[in-house]
Amino acid sequence: EPEVTQTPSHQVTQMGQEVILRCVPISNHLYFYWYRQILGQKVEFLVSFYNNEISEKSEIFDDQFSVERPDGSNFTLKIRSTKLEDSAMYFCASTKDANTEAFFGQGTRLTVV
Amino acid sequence: GDSVTQMEGPVTLSEEAFLTINCTYTATGYPSLFWYVQYPGEGLQLLLKATKADDKGSNKGFEATYRKETTSFHLEKGSVQVSDSAVYFCALSANQAGTALIFGKGTTLSVSS
Repeated sequence: EPEVTQTPSHQVTQMGQEVILRCVPISNHLYFYWYRQILGQKVEFLVSFYNNEISEKSEIFDDQFSVERPDGSNFTLKIRSTKLEDSAMYFCASTKDANTEAFFGQGTRLTVV
Repeated sequence: GDSVTQMEGPVTLSEEAFLTINCTYTATGYPSLFWYVQYPGEGLQLLLKATKADDKGSNKGFEATYRKETTSFHLEKGSVQVSDSAVYFCALSANQAGTALIFGKGTTLSVSS
């Protein structure tokens, strides 16, 4: 069964450093998403991406964050100058069409120290 | 804005007990409603969904009915198993192209034999 894959599964980084979280969505899917879940809190939407541009973003997704689809398969989330409060589980998801089932990756646990 | 509220956990049950996890929502328009499940160490998986009022979603013995009059989408299962132990998330989507999911905080279910 096709699946969304994320790498790495766990990333530890020093405060102030840049990190890139990687995702490979399902190959025939058109919409891509990043969510995050701070420990003990709800899953929060960050950004959605369609047709090579951001289609929607939340208040969390400020200038510190950027997304890119550098080739036909990868979808990346870059976090510049990481802060302690960026520590969270980051989930990538993709959907074939608008409002069809979202398939989630297993997540990347980011720890900022 | 749109939001989802679900009952706080953890919920601890014995095998074969009846399960209810309450979920209510606030939304403009007519959202689609979802239950996602996260098993230990895995990503989010769609458990069931309903796209309009009075629809019943069902999967793996779980059921939830979209109740517009009470803005609810409670998850039920008649007889839980140890393998149902997981975190359950209620979510909504505003039914527009590429619109992200809005999640509740999640409810941890622990089933003992």
